[in-house]
Amino acid sequence: GAGVSQSPSNKVTEKGKDVELRCDPISGHTALYWYRQRLGQGLEFLIYFQGNSAPDKSGLPSDRFSAERTGESVSTLTIQRTQQEDSAVYLCASSDRGSNYGYTFGSGTRLTVV
Amino acid sequence: RKEVEQDPGPFNVPEGATVAFNCTYSNSASQSFFWYRQDCRKEPKLLMSVYSSGNEDGRFTAQLNRASQYISLLIRDSKLSDSATYLCAVALYSSASKIIFGSGTRLSIRP
Repeated sequence: GAGVSQSPSNKVTEKGKDVELRCDPISGHTALYWYRQRLGQGLEFLIYFQGNSAPDKSGLPSDRFSAERTGESVSTLTIQRTQQEDSAVYLCASSDRGSNYGYTFGSGTRLTVV
Repeated sequence: RKEVEQDPGPFNVPEGATVAFNCTYSNSASQSFFWYRQDCRKEPKLLMSVYSSGNEDGRFTAQLNRASQYISLLIRDSKLSDSATYLCAVALYSSASKIIFGSGTRLSIRP
């Protein structure tokens, strides 16, 4: 596709349930990044993929969070046993030339844990 | 200390005014610098990269001061459509690393 695609665009889930968020990067982009943005706050780095490996997962807030990438394409961010503080917009970005040139972001998944 | 710090604003200026934002970063090894624009409930979009010699794109001018570890964005002849949050962003290495974002500065342009 022309841009970074994320699904679902909105997700409401009950506390304690697991959720999966999907990101389809721009075709051919080898680098993929996940960020979290809480309401009224800045972007918080979660994890970075180069190809299918994750050289930097330092931003994952707890072991309830995990992510994988397959085929150097689609990535899935999984949050287990969701908590209310997980409510945020989860943004995915991709790049074909590394961080030197900035990223292109998807429109995000708005997660609400009730 | 946050890795990237910005004045949150809001800046409320009249149409046609010139407005400037500063941003400081903590890691002197930072290599790449950016300004992003984020509209309400939308994803951030790259406004411009910031180069050591400074660079201009129409009404927008970005400057980098490595010695003082800050970058700036100047908007001249502001338009109503410039109302948004402006995010400063810094990458540590030349490639293959994450970009760290500031919390953003809110700008509101009034008629």
